[in-house]
Amino acid sequence: GQQVMQIPQYQHVQEGEDFTTYCNSSTTLSNIQWYKQRPGGHPVFLIQLVKSGEVKKQKRLTFQFGEAKKNSSLHITATQTTDVGTYFCAGHRSNSGYALNFGKGTSLLVTP
Amino acid sequence: DTGVSQNPRHKITKRGQNVTFRCDPISEHNRLYWYRQTLGQGPEFLTYFQNEAQLEKSRLLSDRFSAERPKGSFSTLEIQRTEQGDSAMYLCASSHRDKRANEQFFGPGTRLTVL
Repeated sequence: GQQVMQIPQYQHVQEGEDFTTYCNSSTTLSNIQWYKQRPGGHPVFLIQLVKSGEVKKQKRLTFQFGEAKKNSSLHITATQTTDVGTYFCAGHRSNSGYALNFGKGTSLLVTP
Repeated sequence: DTGVSQNPRHKITKRGQNVTFRCDPISEHNRLYWYRQTLGQGPEFLTYFQNEAQLEKSRLLSDRFSAERPKGSFSTLEIQRTEQGDSAMYLCASSHRDKRANEQFFGPGTRLTVL
C-alpha cells in the first residue's frame, strides 16, 4: 500500500539556523498536506499543496510539491524557539479520497 | 467555533475491559475521522464518516473496534476486550466537505492506557 516516508526523524538546530524536512511517497499523490504537532498537543494543519511543482510560502516557511507529485519538502528559514514541534506530511491514500496517510514526522528542537 | 472536543481525555483500563470514547466535531463539519497515534509515529487512520455514513474503515482495524455517528454529529469509538497493544492516543478530526483544502481539525485526543 501507499507509504509516506519522512526524513530526518529528528533535527536539532540553534535558533536562527535553517531547517528542512523531506517527504517521499511510494505512489503519486493527489495532494499533500503538512501538519505541525507541538509537544503534548494535537496536529494542526499548515498547508495543502495540489499542483505539480507547486511552491507556497507562509512567512518563514516554504513548502514544495515535487514535479512527479511523489515528494514534498518544508523549509524553515531562521528558526525560532516557537518552531519546536513535530512536522508531519500526509497524503491521501491512493484508493481513497478521504483518509490521510501520515509520515512518521520530523521532530524539530530549537535551542536558543 | 469551539473546535473539536473529545472525552474522556485520559482512560486507564484493565486488559479485557471495553472502553468507549466520544468525539464532538466542529458543528458544521460533515466529515469525521478517527486516528490512532503512538509515540514517535504519525497519526494512523482508523475510520471515516461523512454525515452518519461510515464510508471507510482501515483494514488494520480489528473487529474489536467499532465506531458510530448515529445522527451525523458526535461520534463514538468503542474498543472491546482491550489489549495492551491498544494503548495509544486516539485522535478525532473533522472537516467540511465544501470548504478549503480538506483541512482536518484535530481534537485534543483521548489517551488510552491498558494495564
